[in-house]
Formats: sequence, structure tokens, C-alpha cells
Amino acid sequence: DADVTQTPRNRITKTGKRIMLECSQTKGHDRMYWYRQDPGLGLRLIYYSFDVKDINKGEISDGYSVSRQAQAKFSLSLESAIPNQTALYFCATSEAGTSSYNEQFFGPGTRLTVL
Amino acid sequence: AQSVTQLDSHVSVSEGTPVLLRCNYSSSYSPSLFWYVQHPNKGLQLLLKYTSAATLVKGINGFEAEFKKSETSFHLTKPSAHMSDAAEYFCVVRHGSSNTGKLIFGQGTTLQVKP
Repeated sequence: DADVTQTPRNRITKTGKRIMLECSQTKGHDRMYWYRQDPGLGLRLIYYSFDVKDINKGEISDGYSVSRQAQAKFSLSLESAIPNQTALYFCATSEAGTSSYNEQFFGPGTRLTVL
Repeated sequence: AQSVTQLDSHVSVSEGTPVLLRCNYSSSYSPSLFWYVQHPNKGLQLLLKYTSAATLVKGINGFEAEFKKSETSFHLTKPSAHMSDAAEYFCVVRHGSSNTGKLIFGQGTTLQVKP
């Protein structure tokens, strides 16, 4: 079984609809992240959470919100989807601690299309 | 501020020939550097990471990268390309101090391997 799972894997929706993307992990990591990937731009950080009570904005948080329901679950919401939020969305996890080199583990991605 | 530039958006090689994917970084701190690979319709997988223990870092699947502080580079190489290496590759630098965990991604390089 995959360590980091995302649901749904694909979603097509219309402008103005509310959408929730979910992420679950079995790695026991405290830290979780949401990224979006656009062609030619790499991955950009939307939100991150270092534990259940800690939520932080990333570089492109406008139009998004998150909820850390438990250590293992981190969901991303688009309150009112717009076409330029069409992208591939990734969830990632990492260990806590002071090491500079903690690897991030990525889910398989959710492809979202907003019409 | 940290940033990373991948110098080629697309690289094409023949199977059995060497691979070179170029990456330059900018960092105010001693950098933490990573290479990730993304195969089609898959999540991202860590290839290797620079831990400051050695400037030549060996990763999975025969890839390696050399950290050159004087050139602010972290190029990814492989002596002999395999068809299964066709994927997108991301050079990544860790943002800020060692405890933040945030990653900054390059724009990505698509590697094509021709038979």
C-alpha cells in the first residue's frame, strides 16, 4: 500500500464550485505539505503544517484553505474554484526535527481541471 | 533568498549515452540540495540529496550529482542512459534555516531517451 495517498486522483469541476482534495499518510510523519505543479514552473508550495495545531501559508495560498484533521490527514479546499487553479496537486510529508536533509515523500497527485 | 535554476527545460539523449542535467542554485545559507524524479502519471521520488558529507553524491538508479560551491552548481549525471530514465527531473533547494523544511523547486527538465 502507498505511504501517501491522495483522493480523488482526477477531478473536473466548474467555476465557482467548492472542491476538497484529501491526503492521507501512513508514514507517521508530523509535517505535511500541499503543492501545485504547473508546466514550466515546477512545484510551488500552497500550505504546510508542522503538526495538527500548526498551519502555515506557502507562496501561493490565495484562493485555497487547508485543514489538518489528524496527524495522518491534511485536506486542501478551493472555496470557489477558478480556471487558473487547473493544475496537478501534490501532497507531501516529512519527518520533524532539526535535520536539514529530511526527505519529503510525495503522493501520486490529483489532476484538477476547472472549466 | 534561496532559488534554483535548471538550465535546460528539455534534454534528449540516446540510450547508452551519458546524461547531464544542469542545476544552479542561490542560497544565503549552506544549502540543502536534492534531485527528484517524476515518471509519467506518478508522484515525485527522491533520487539523491546533498548532505555536506561529500561533494559527490550517489543516488538511486546509477545517478550521481556533484556539489560545486564555487560554481553554485549541483548537476545530475549518469554514465549511460536507459529507456526507463525518461522522466521529468527537478532540482530542489531547501528554503531558509534547517528547521523549516520548505523546498523550492526548479522548473524541471524533461529527459527524453531515444532508442
